[in-house]
Amino acid sequence: EIVLTQSPGTLSLSPGERATLSCRASQSVRGSSLAWFHQQAGQAPRLLIYGASSRATGIPDRFSGSGSGTDFTLTISRLEPEDFAVYYCQQYSSSPVTFGQGTRLEIK
Amino acid sequence: QVQLQESGPGLVRPSETLSLTCAVSGGSIRSSDWWSWVRQPPGKGLEWIGEISYSGGTNFNPSFKSRVSMSVDRSKNQFSLKLTSVTAADTAVFYCASGEYFADWGQGTLVTVSS
Repeated sequence: EIVLTQSPGTLSLSPGERATLSCRASQSVRGSSLAWFHQQAGQAPRLLIYGASSRATGIPDRFSGSGSGTDFTLTISRLEPEDFAVYYCQQYSSSPVTFGQGTRLEIK
Repeated sequence: QVQLQESGPGLVRPSETLSLTCAVSGGSIRSSDWWSWVRQPPGKGLEWIGEISYSGGTNFNPSFKSRVSMSVDRSKNQFSLKLTSVTAADTAVFYCASGEYFADWGQGTLVTVSS
């Protein structure tokens, strides 16, 4: 099983700032089969990025993903109020599908 | 893009079987190769339970393998989850999701295991 470790656990920033979230895998994620989701309180997760760097439908271009192998990054270039949420990475390259433990992005 | 809606009992007694259904609308269940179930205990992270293809093939998380089964009903455009011998630790919001990288999700349904 591929274990995903996200850092930091909590990130405190202000609207307009840049956010950088990290996801490290315990073994190589084949085919860059890594996705990012965000989840607002009481809502279902929403897909942001798949294939490590492809934006999902309707996702603004302030969200970008990068990385390969075992190290992946989600960058939000200029934080909007609606971006403050919990973020999860997920690998779907091998079974079982696994998620990171989450990064909470909170307003400073 | 399809819409997903989970349904099922919100309360299940310990040792009994949890049964949920996910209805697919706005498209055919054939529109995606795989359909998944994910759970999220209150205040915790996401855990993949398993997936089923529209033709009925399955893959399960080994953490659940002995307790989980899934089925698909192509005529009703829906798929289902059964989890046996539940305990309080199975209390969670259960989501269904579509495709290889979970592009679409249901709103989730809270299932509480309690006597």
